[in-house]
Amino acid sequence: DGGITQSPKYLFRKEGQNVTLSCEQNLNHDAMYWYRQDPGQGLRLIYYSQIVNDFQKGDIAEGYSVSREKKESFPLTVTSAQKNPTAFYLCASSIFGGPNTEAFFGQGTRLTVV
Amino acid sequence: KNQVEQSPQSLIILEGKNCTLQCNYTVSPFSNLRWYKQDTGRGPVSLTIMTFSENTKSNGRYTATLDADTKQSSLHITASQLSDSASYICVVSPVASNYQLIWGAGTKLIIKP
Repeated sequence: DGGITQSPKYLFRKEGQNVTLSCEQNLNHDAMYWYRQDPGQGLRLIYYSQIVNDFQKGDIAEGYSVSREKKESFPLTVTSAQKNPTAFYLCASSIFGGPNTEAFFGQGTRLTVV
Repeated sequence: KNQVEQSPQSLIILEGKNCTLQCNYTVSPFSNLRWYKQDTGRGPVSLTIMTFSENTKSNGRYTATLDADTKQSSLHITASQLSDSASYICVVSPVASNYQLIWGAGTKLIIKP
């Protein structure tokens, strides 16, 4: 059963803590992406990766970090430097990068700071 | 500045009725325009993708149109069903960027029985 899996579905973080969101895909896609979604706003790109061991900052990378050690995995760490981390986080993947490729999304992780 | 504006912000219609959602964009030039459906608390799912040279694209009861001259797109939903209740998001890909997608804020559609 192919797809893209995000975990956990809900995550609570205390102020000052780092948390890591998991994203795994078995679609053999080269490119992976992390987006943040806030109410009433469009999705915003945090980081993207075209190939293993390489990733690029998106529009709102500050306070976030990623790694791409395996093709299937692209975890996102929300660090304590991110001042307003409460949001819905979406991971996506595509066959290869570029504006004309179809992106497939995971089910999202809702992060709440408590 | 590249922007995508959607209207209305929210819409309530009765089951079985048709509706049309609007998308105005300032992105130019662009390579394609997409419509996504997003159920509450889930990831977006692609409905249609149109290149700049296409005028219309259908996917079942969903029909997207594109007018590149006026920089407008619309998504028409025919014979609405309760499962159509979701947010519908318009997304435009600028030619100048490899990975950047300009996302609209979406229209929240509620279908009532």
